[in-house]
Amino acid sequence: QVHLEQSGAEVSMPGSPVKISCKASGGIFASSSIVWVRQVPGHGLEWMGGIIPKSGVTNYAQKFQGRVTMTTDGSTGTAYLEMTDLRVDDTAVYYCAKDPSVVEPVGTAFFDPWGQGTQVIVSS
Amino acid sequence: SYVLTQPPSVSVAPGQAARISCGGNNIGRKSVHWYRHKSGQAPVLVVYNDDERPSQIPERISGSNSGNTATLTISRVEPGDEAVYYCQVWDFGREVVFGGGTKLTVL
Repeated sequence: QVHLEQSGAEVSMPGSPVKISCKASGGIFASSSIVWVRQVPGHGLEWMGGIIPKSGVTNYAQKFQGRVTMTTDGSTGTAYLEMTDLRVDDTAVYYCAKDPSVVEPVGTAFFDPWGQGTQVIVSS
Repeated sequence: SYVLTQPPSVSVAPGQAARISCGGNNIGRKSVHWYRHKSGQAPVLVVYNDDERPSQIPERISGSNSGNTATLTISRVEPGDEAVYYCQVWDFGREVVFGGGTKLTVL
């Protein structure tokens, strides 16, 4: 049974970076991808991008290109999302999820399961 | 970019059927996936590839997709079905697209 465990809540200043993690159980990195989705308060789900851990190939949503970096550490089965130059409107819950496809580009399949979410608050 | 249109809300009495639509240009040519999202919890996949169900999802939840509309149908609605439901597709322009979400209220 695959389980994704995300890191705890973060409070950051505007302009600073944040890095959150998503640890996968069940040895999924060899056969799937990891995607990141966020939900800004009062809004719907928003796809940020994804990574194929086996190859390191990424696919970022155009909106976030240049500001996000997705990486993985195969030795620990952990995926990371780093976002720089945080703004107040980046305050959101950030989710990782497993995408069963390892075909480029990342994101062509469905997402299951999801991590429990990481709250990121950006405030001065 | 590709746009998915969902009604903001659907209300239904317990035991009745709920139908949630997801409109998009020629969406019938795409694979549609649906998620249930309860407040404070992680989203859960309920239908994938238009009409397939994960093993833990009951048969009373089903999906269809044709023309310009995909539909999620929940038969015999229960109070526990109350949530926001999102449709999702892959836009062949390299991005994932979610619908705006539909809040299902069980009266």
